[in-house]
Amino acid sequence: NAGVTQTPKFQVLKTGQSMTLQCAQDMNHEYMSWYRQDPGMGLRLIHYSVGAGITDQGEVPNGYNVSRSTTEDFPLRLLSAAPSQTSVYFCASRPLSGQETQYFGPGTRLLVL
Amino acid sequence: EDQVTQSPEALRLQEGESSSLNCSYTVSGLRGLFWYRQDPGKGPEFLFTLYSAGEEKEKERLKATLTKKESFLHITAPKPEDSATYLCAGLRASNTGKLIFGQGTTLQVKP
Repeated sequence: NAGVTQTPKFQVLKTGQSMTLQCAQDMNHEYMSWYRQDPGMGLRLIHYSVGAGITDQGEVPNGYNVSRSTTEDFPLRLLSAAPSQTSVYFCASRPLSGQETQYFGPGTRLLVL
Repeated sequence: EDQVTQSPEALRLQEGESSSLNCSYTVSGLRGLFWYRQDPGKGPEFLFTLYSAGEEKEKERLKATLTKKESFLHITAPKPEDSATYLCAGLRASNTGKLIFGQGTTLQVKP
């Protein structure tokens, strides 16, 4: 099992550009989520999904869009990048029942100029 | 409001010097308390889940404990390779339970 994978590892954008951060998992987990991690702020939830076709907002959703067409994939779209979106982004997945342990991907480091 | 607070923010230990990290929580109907380890430039790596007060779990030099208000991560005789940021998170009791993270404790173990 590859677990949770994310691409790209690092990206530089100019203000106003759009891009998609990719996330995939091969553990058949229903729940997937996106976090951003900033110094002194901890991990903050952006969007999450409890299954294909179902998404909802987390703590800091503004400026981000998500969709979930398959169980495996959960891409995060930046519609018009802003310097405030400079951060490290983590995707995570877990089962909806049982142990409910959440597993994280390796992260995408994003710099918006 | 749900909140998880970790202390201290940073901790420096000499190799072999045991200590504890604290995680205080106020999470609605806590369904589980999770500990993660995060190395620089990497994603959080799962360590433990605790479900009820009084529960303890161990892994090598680490032992996690849980009370009704806080959790502790005890590190016994740490080694330099234990240096990392340790994250604590509470899982809310709801149909779409969300993890509420603390800000982490950065541990440095000097040889």
